[in-house]
Amino acid sequence: EAGVTQFPSHSVIEKGQTVTLRCDPISGHDNLYWYRRVMGKEIKFLLHFVKESKQDESGMPNNRFLAERTGGTYSTLKVQPAELEDSGVYFCASSQNMISEAFFGQGTRLTVV
Amino acid sequence: RKEVEQDPGPFNVPEGATVAFNCTYSNSASQSFFWYRQDCRKEPKLLMSVYSSGNEDGRFTAQLNRASQYISLLIRDSKLSDSATYLCVVNGQAGTALIFGKGTTLSVSS
Repeated sequence: EAGVTQFPSHSVIEKGQTVTLRCDPISGHDNLYWYRRVMGKEIKFLLHFVKESKQDESGMPNNRFLAERTGGTYSTLKVQPAELEDSGVYFCASSQNMISEAFFGQGTRLTVV
Repeated sequence: RKEVEQDPGPFNVPEGATVAFNCTYSNSASQSFFWYRQDCRKEPKLLMSVYSSGNEDGRFTAQLNRASQYISLLIRDSKLSDSATYLCVVNGQAGTALIFGKGTTLSVSS
């Protein structure tokens, strides 16, 4: 069975540009999460989808971040315009239900220069 | 108080040693508890779930103390391959996502 896959694995963009990250969860997992790890800090929650609906987006830093999950399958996270402080590793995870363990993708390492 | 707190370490131990990590959480309504392992530049991977009755998986033992709101992980007979960052993870309450501690770094040397 395929795990959580993320694309791209690395992205280097200039400040002010736009980047879109993609996550394909494990098939059948209704719950999809985005997390971010900035260097030296803990993994921080960004938002949570249940199917195509945003269950919780309290962790989104600001309105430069937009997440979608059309059709309840894969999800995208767009950063527009990117700022230097957006650099970090963005992880996507999925789970069967809200209290079960989450399985993580390999992450997208974003560097804004 | 941070939602999930861990001693960041690093813990430097020789092979064969027993090492214990503790973690505290602030939300008494939390329902699910996990230990994840993260290797350098990799994604977190589930090590084990933590149950109130305590649970063991080989050399690893996890304990949960709801009254004191802390979780522990004990690693016996440490191996070089155990070197990693161990993340304490808590589900805040029903319907919320997992909350991560900052992680505890373990380095096992020969």
